[in-house]
Amino acid sequence: DAGVIQSPRHEVTEMGQEVTLRCKPISGHNSLFWYRQTMMRGLELLIYFNNNVPIDDSGMPEDRFSAKMPNASFSTLKIQPSEPRDSAVYFCASSLRGQGLPDAQYFGPGTRLLVL
Amino acid sequence: AQKITQTQPGMFVQEKEAVTLDCTYDTSDPSYGLFWYKQPSSGEMIFLIYQGSYDQQNATEGRYSLNFQKARKSANLVISASQLGDSAMYFCAMREWQGNKLVFGAGTILRVKS
Repeated sequence: DAGVIQSPRHEVTEMGQEVTLRCKPISGHNSLFWYRQTMMRGLELLIYFNNNVPIDDSGMPEDRFSAKMPNASFSTLKIQPSEPRDSAVYFCASSLRGQGLPDAQYFGPGTRLLVL
Repeated sequence: AQKITQTQPGMFVQEKEAVTLDCTYDTSDPSYGLFWYKQPSSGEMIFLIYQGSYDQQNATEGRYSLNFQKARKSANLVISASQLGDSAMYFCAMREWQGNKLVFGAGTILRVKS
């Protein structure tokens, strides 16, 4: 079975440009999460969706960040305009939330973003 | 508010020996789940093991076991018979049952020596 798929794996862009990160969760999973990892702040949850609906976006740093999940098999995280401090590894994860299930979150390989 | 503490920034272990990575947590929710993840130098996050707060027995997955001491709010990861491939960053995480957010500790870097 395919795991969580993220694209691109690496992105280098200039300050001010729009960046779109993409994620395909594991088929059948009903929760999707976007995380950001930096040396200074560790792993931070940005936003998560249950059944394609955004539940908690309190971790989104500011209005420059937006996330969508138009269907159960696809999500995007967009940064517009990008800034050098957005440089990080962005992970997408998915899980199956259900009664009595351990619902471990399975992570994608991450997108390494560098904003110059 | 929930909190995860990993007090060991780095650990060394000799190949084939066992090692314990510490994790303590703080929550007021009686129902929660504890998770351990491995992040090798390649960067991916690999789910290792899970423990539910109501589980009576400590979780085990192959060479990984979770030493769950509920009264002390600790969930230490034990890796038996360490291998060179175990060298990685290890994260402890917790999710409260009412929510869906996974909160991570700062991580422990493990280096296995040959």
